[in-house]
Amino acid sequence: GEDVEQSLFLSVREGDSSVINCTYTDSSSTYLYWYKQEPGAGLQLLTYIFSNMDMKQDQRLTVLLNKKDKHLSLRIADTQTGDSAIYFCAEQGSNYQLIWGAGTKLIIKP
Amino acid sequence: DSGVTQTPKHLITATGQRVTLRCSPRSGDLSVYWYQQSLDQGLQFLIQYYNGEERAKGNILERFSAQQFPDLHSELNLSSLELGDSALYFCASSPSGGAGELFFGEGSRLTVL
Repeated sequence: GEDVEQSLFLSVREGDSSVINCTYTDSSSTYLYWYKQEPGAGLQLLTYIFSNMDMKQDQRLTVLLNKKDKHLSLRIADTQTGDSAIYFCAEQGSNYQLIWGAGTKLIIKP
Repeated sequence: DSGVTQTPKHLITATGQRVTLRCSPRSGDLSVYWYQQSLDQGLQFLIQYYNGEERAKGNILERFSAQQFPDLHSELNLSSLELGDSALYFCASSPSGGAGELFFGEGSRLTVL
């Protein structure tokens, strides 16, 4: 069935780049999403990529998509303390519903 | 501020009780989604309504039910509550019936004692 997998934790030093990885199973997904959940808040859309793209860049964020390996990554350059959050990867499944990963908690070390 | 309003923010109740969670979607959004977030199960999709009609069903227990009213607000009813129902319940809305950008509320934290 459809499934999205991501590591549960990532720890990086302030100022370094963070790379959060995700694998998905539905090769027919048209869109893949990254959502961010800050402590005590709901999720908010961070960025998304259309399946015919390999890369999308938006300021400090870079999304890479490898369709062959069904691998999606989110790179955050110059990671700041304000980037501490849980990052969810999601794919748009065959029934147009979002299939969610378990979320990766990004921990920033000073 | 996402524009999605959920009430109450916090709720403490006892096992066996029934509660109702309320959600007002963003102005103009026709779809409402309900999610449950717990520590051990992550983010679980419960149910989606589109313009008053049930559109999709996820891992929603039979003890739970939802509806969307003509003014597009939605309610999630949880009955015969168990300790394991303690979780954060999120409502999200979107303009269309298909998934895409979802706008999440801040959640209702339910604690069952």
